Amino acid sequence: DQQVKQNSPSLSVQEGRISILNCDYTNSMFDYFLWYKKYPAEGPTFLISISSIKDKNEDGRFTVFLNKSAKHLSLHIVPSQPGDSAVYFCAAETSGTYKYIFGTGTRLKVLA
Amino acid sequence: DTGVSQDPRHKITKRGQNVTFRCDPISEHNRLYWYRQTLGQGPEFLTYFQNEAQLEKSRLLSDRFSAERPKGSFSTLEIQRTEQGDSAMYLCASSSPKRGGEGNTIYFGEGSWLTVV
Repeated sequence: DQQVKQNSPSLSVQEGRISILNCDYTNSMFDYFLWYKKYPAEGPTFLISISSIKDKNEDGRFTVFLNKSAKHLSLHIVPSQPGDSAVYFCAAETSGTYKYIFGTGTRLKVLA
Repeated sequence: DTGVSQDPRHKITKRGQNVTFRCDPISEHNRLYWYRQTLGQGPEFLTYFQNEAQLEKSRLLSDRFSAERPKGSFSTLEIQRTEQGDSAMYLCASSSPKRGGEGNTIYFGEGSWLTVV
């Protein structure tokens, strides 16, 4: 049972344009969501997070949007840069459980 | 802040051998997590510690796997009698106590690649 789903295995975007990565979840008890970036042969690097009390969080070029009613979140990267090319994972947690459930990832390729 | 460090980064072992991985968390972090990642999948939760106490173990953690965090600082993950299906990246992460109103963000190390031949 995949509680966190990233239905797009890959995405290609031109440099300078917006990248939008999507994530859906099924467990309504999740209340904290995170995005990680992963390069090959390295561990995931934390990018940005959002609590369920918010619907948007921004950090520089990265913005995460949360739609609780749709159980959907998205990561926007503007403007996209070639160095953003990596696999992006979304993760979800129910506060206090300390168990983070990850999606299967979306491979982003930013074309120069 | 030196980040989460893991050792070794790569390990190739023969089926049936035992392997041990070490994780040093970020120094002020009291929680430590082990995850496993295989190709095409996201990280899968294995276990986590709060200080030296192991508070939860996944069903993925068979009896051949054991994790310890004896002094609430570094942790080890041992796999006994390795099988080819154990080949994966083993990721360690840590987090600090949650501050009011904030979620609990976990920070990963660079991972330890295990190949069982």
